[in-house]
Amino acid sequence: AQSVTQLDSHVSVSEGTPVLLRCNYSSSYSPSLFWYVQHPNKGLQLLLKYTSAATLVKGINGFEAEFKKSETSFHLTKPSAHMSDAAEYFCVVSGAYDYKLSFGAGTTVTVRA
Amino acid sequence: DVKVTQSSRYLVKRTGEKVFLECVQDMDHENMFWYRQDPGLGLRLIYFSYDVKMKEKGDIPEGYSVSREKKERFSLILESASTNQTSMYLCASSLGTGGPGNTIYFGEGSWLTVV
Repeated sequence: AQSVTQLDSHVSVSEGTPVLLRCNYSSSYSPSLFWYVQHPNKGLQLLLKYTSAATLVKGINGFEAEFKKSETSFHLTKPSAHMSDAAEYFCVVSGAYDYKLSFGAGTTVTVRA
Repeated sequence: DVKVTQSSRYLVKRTGEKVFLECVQDMDHENMFWYRQDPGLGLRLIYFSYDVKMKEKGDIPEGYSVSREKKERFSLILESASTNQTSMYLCASSLGTGGPGNTIYFGEGSWLTVV
């Protein structure tokens, strides 16, 4: 079994400042981990994924995440927030099979001008 | 480009009506999924299908059924809609290798209101 905890339900940042979204996971298997973004009234879009290759994963729109096995974490970062980053972000872990996904509760990001 | 299309974005239905939500993917994916998304509850899996005519119950299948007659199409059916089925429904698909790590691609969502 696997589970995901997103440590912040809401993050507010100023435009141009760094963004950090925290995710801890538990898994009985070598996990695959994903970050998805959901803009209002839209579906989920893949930002990046980790599948046991490089521990630092680069994604779209300047986001990256680092897999830390010792800390069971997969935090998402971006060096400089843009207004278009305002959205909800989901951390997702895949278990032994690709259809067994566990979603975090989501983190809502607000970007202040 | 990868595409999962949910033909109905916004629907309003009456209690007791039979409701069909349609989803089509153009990526030749084996796996298809239906989730519902509710505030405070996140995404919950209703059903998934790993092949034509094959289906498995997810976490919350009660009150729903599914149909997959063709590989690219996966339908969610509410046999008798109830107000507690008012929600956002998300269809998704993924390549079916059976192992972990396959990216799941989502549609834009269908907002269903049952009155």
